[in-house]
Amino acid sequence: DVVVTQSPLSLPVTLGQPASISCRSSQSLVYGDGNTYLNWFHQRPGQSPRRLIYAVSNRDSGVPDRFSGSGSGTDFTLRISRVEAEDVGIYYCMQGTHWPWTFGQGTKVEIK
Amino acid sequence: QVQLQESGPGLVKPSETLSLTCSVSGDSITSYYWTWFRQPPGKGLEWIGYFYNSGSTKDINYNPSLNSRVTISLDTSKKQFSLKLTSMTAADTAVYFCARHSGRTGWDPDYRGQGILVTVSS
Repeated sequence: DVVVTQSPLSLPVTLGQPASISCRSSQSLVYGDGNTYLNWFHQRPGQSPRRLIYAVSNRDSGVPDRFSGSGSGTDFTLRISRVEAEDVGIYYCMQGTHWPWTFGQGTKVEIK
Repeated sequence: QVQLQESGPGLVKPSETLSLTCSVSGDSITSYYWTWFRQPPGKGLEWIGYFYNSGSTKDINYNPSLNSRVTISLDTSKKQFSLKLTSMTAADTAVYFCARHSGRTGWDPDYRGQGILVTVSS
């Protein structure tokens, strides 16, 4: 299985400041159709994970534009331009290029 | 408003078979892919598999780590899809989620259940 590694695993942030999460895969995530299937999810305590970004950089409907995704090949980043209180929780990256789809370990974002 | 709701036993004995159901309301269940994934307490996420069945077209894929133990099926008349996982062990203790599968991009943000905790214990 493709191993997906996130860092850091814990991210204390100050409200209004930027935050960044790294996601690296053990194989290239470029699929045969030319797309790269690296997706980001956010999970609040007691809730199911909700997708934020799909295929590297496409924000889902209703996701604030302070969230952005970037990267290519095996190296990807989720950025929050200005952290708000509602952004706390665990962020997971997920690769959908190689079956079985696999997830990173999760990055816990909390307010300092 | 679309709602997905998991149901089933919260406690299963070792070696028994887990049967969970996901009920879909507010939208059609046909012509879509549906999926199950799980999360052991305090841990990360794991795909279980996905299922599509419309007329003569069927597409099913299970995580190879569970392949011999898992079955996902659809009951369009009840607007439900189900998960069966045999030979349960403590390692299968997890919150199980259902969702509408969106292919290589995971699952649709607004089409996911809240999850059901299943504990394997004698």
